[in-house]
Amino acid sequence: QQPVQSPQAVILREGEDAVINCSSSKALYSVHWYRQKHGEAPVFLMILLKGGEQKGHEKISASFNEKKQQSSLYLTASQLSYSGTYFCGTGGGNKLTFGTGTQLKVEL
Amino acid sequence: NAGVTQTPKFQVLKTGQSMTLQCAQDMNHEYMSWYRQDPGMGLRLIHYSVGAGITDQGEVPNGYNVSRSTTEDFPLRLLSAAPSQTSVYFCASSYSMPSGGILAKNIQYFGAGTRLSVL
Repeated sequence: QQPVQSPQAVILREGEDAVINCSSSKALYSVHWYRQKHGEAPVFLMILLKGGEQKGHEKISASFNEKKQQSSLYLTASQLSYSGTYFCGTGGGNKLTFGTGTQLKVEL
Repeated sequence: NAGVTQTPKFQVLKTGQSMTLQCAQDMNHEYMSWYRQDPGMGLRLIHYSVGAGITDQGEVPNGYNVSRSTTEDFPLRLLSAAPSQTSVYFCASSYSMPSGGILAKNIQYFGAGTRLSVL
């Protein structure tokens, strides 16, 4: 079953912050985050392995709460280059199940 | 390194035709996967492979076949194309990365995609 992402879409002005959430009905062992720009392939951002651990990429960070089976992606002081669709991916072993995506648009 | 290479980039088929989407990687990754991407549905796993000679089904395998005769190549075959198979197809490869003693598998490196239309 696919993890559920919220919100489905968000529009920001440059410099604003945003949070994207990813929830799973199954126990989580790891959470991946990817970003896909329009017309391009998804690109790996970060992976989280432990409960509560935060990772960072540029001004983007994420947290992972194993007990709540949730992960959140934090975009701080957004830039135009952050626009795209963000996907979380969950699973163990050799399979990765992606969420339905969150479309993020950053405007001037 | 070219990374993951997919061909063709675009394809139009008629219902009932068959074709093969090609995928090759030069990173010596063990794992390879095929996903389809449809509006509002994210990326859904079609088939995957953990090494040469080993393949398994993902979430949406019906209508597709795969084989893995070499580490580098993982072609996806559409047996009899249907309009429901109109989609963007991504091939990905992945490796295992050690992190604090825990192997973190499945960091996906994607190809540029194949946009397929079935009329």
